[in-house]
Amino acid sequence: DIQMTQSPSSLSASVGDRVTITCRASQSINRYLNWYQQLPGKAPKLLIYAASSLQSGVPSRFSGSGSGTDYTLTISGLQPEDFASYYCQQTFTNLWTFGQGTRVEVK
Amino acid sequence: EVQLVESGGGLVQPGGSLRLSCAASGFKFNNYRMTWVRQAPGKGLEWVANIKQDGSEKYYVDSVKGRFTISRDNAKNSLYLQMNSLSAEDTAAYYCARIKEVPASEIYYYFYSMDVWGKGTTVTVS
Repeated sequence: DIQMTQSPSSLSASVGDRVTITCRASQSINRYLNWYQQLPGKAPKLLIYAASSLQSGVPSRFSGSGSGTDYTLTISGLQPEDFASYYCQQTFTNLWTFGQGTRVEVK
Repeated sequence: EVQLVESGGGLVQPGGSLRLSCAASGFKFNNYRMTWVRQAPGKGLEWVANIKQDGSEKYYVDSVKGRFTISRDNAKNSLYLQMNSLSAEDTAAYYCARIKEVPASEIYYYFYSMDVWGKGTTVTVS
């Protein structure tokens, strides 16, 4: 199975900050990579699919990039509603896996 | 409104069984692959199983193979997860989700993602 490793596991940031979360796959996943946001007690929400495509309705401050084994989610100008957990997910194989998550907390 | 509503969760003893349901509305259910994802208390997301539109392809995470069965009834716009031989490690919130398919550059390949989620149903094995 493909292992997904996110870093950092948590981070503290302030409103307006630029935040970067990375996700590394144990093998090349050819941009078959999604990013989700999860607010406490809520279901996850799709932010980015195919590594860099913004899901409809998601603010443009969210962006994704990467290729091969290494991917990045960037939030440009953190907003109060962005304090949440973020997960990457690979769909390169039929057995999908998530990263362990990154919690973005208030500094 | 596009909506997924899970039901069937509850408290079950170790070794017991439970059947989760997911009712879909607001979209053409038989056009979409569907999936189950779970989240143990205080833990991250874990993909559980997928099913193709016509039920002809099913995939499972190793930890549930042979114990869980994903199925669907397109006439009833419903997705199911039959869970047998449950253990404490299966305690989690279970979410159903719709799978979005976007064609990739390689022929016959698709970028899959989960674009619509239910609110989840909680399973406690104790």
